[in-house]
Amino acid sequence: DAKTTQPPSMDCAEGRAANLPCNHSTISGNEYVYWYRQIHSQGPQYIIHGLKNNETNEMASLIITEDRKSSTLILPHATLRDTAVYYCIVTGANSKLTFGKGITLSVRP
Amino acid sequence: GAVVSQHPSRVICKSGTSVKIECRSLDFQATTMFWYRQFPKQSLMLMATSNEGSKATYEQGVEKDKFLINHASLTLSTLTVTSAHPEDSSFYICSARDPSGGASLIQYFGAGTRLSVL
Repeated sequence: DAKTTQPPSMDCAEGRAANLPCNHSTISGNEYVYWYRQIHSQGPQYIIHGLKNNETNEMASLIITEDRKSSTLILPHATLRDTAVYYCIVTGANSKLTFGKGITLSVRP
Repeated sequence: GAVVSQHPSRVICKSGTSVKIECRSLDFQATTMFWYRQFPKQSLMLMATSNEGSKATYEQGVEKDKFLINHASLTLSTLTVTSAHPEDSSFYICSARDPSGGASLIQYFGAGTRLSVL
């Protein structure tokens, strides 16, 4: 599986958009980008995933660059409940998920 | 999203006893389930992959005789920590792969089980 690099932490103001970056320069053509988040003392929660097109669902948007070497998860209107560790994972279809350290997002009032 | 139920959420046991954790996929049939372990301030580490009707595949360094995994049905996998010791105290999390995702499959996670061995 391709390695991902995320900043260790970031913060944003409540109500503003949170843009979480992820670098995956060694991604191969059949690997997907998955985003999960883990709120303290809970199991990870699936957010969104994509292959090469941008994706949007009720939780977030995923923007993947044309060369697929990086992506950005966008939470359009962050709330205090979005404070969590966000994991960007690159893996092939049917492959297992390997978690890195993720990025800790702190949403401030 | 799909629901994965994990039970119990917390267990405290004496050293030397065995503990069983259940993981159920409530609204899909999961041929593949996964067991993770997470120590404080660390990320999730995959312990094993559980396939329905066959033996689990363990990650390197995970003792298969200590962490017994059974995946007897398409909706239930169990993890038994045998002869638990204080160093086994951790947060254990299961996940199930939803087979309905087409080319890309989504794993859904349980809420986790916090094991404390005294």
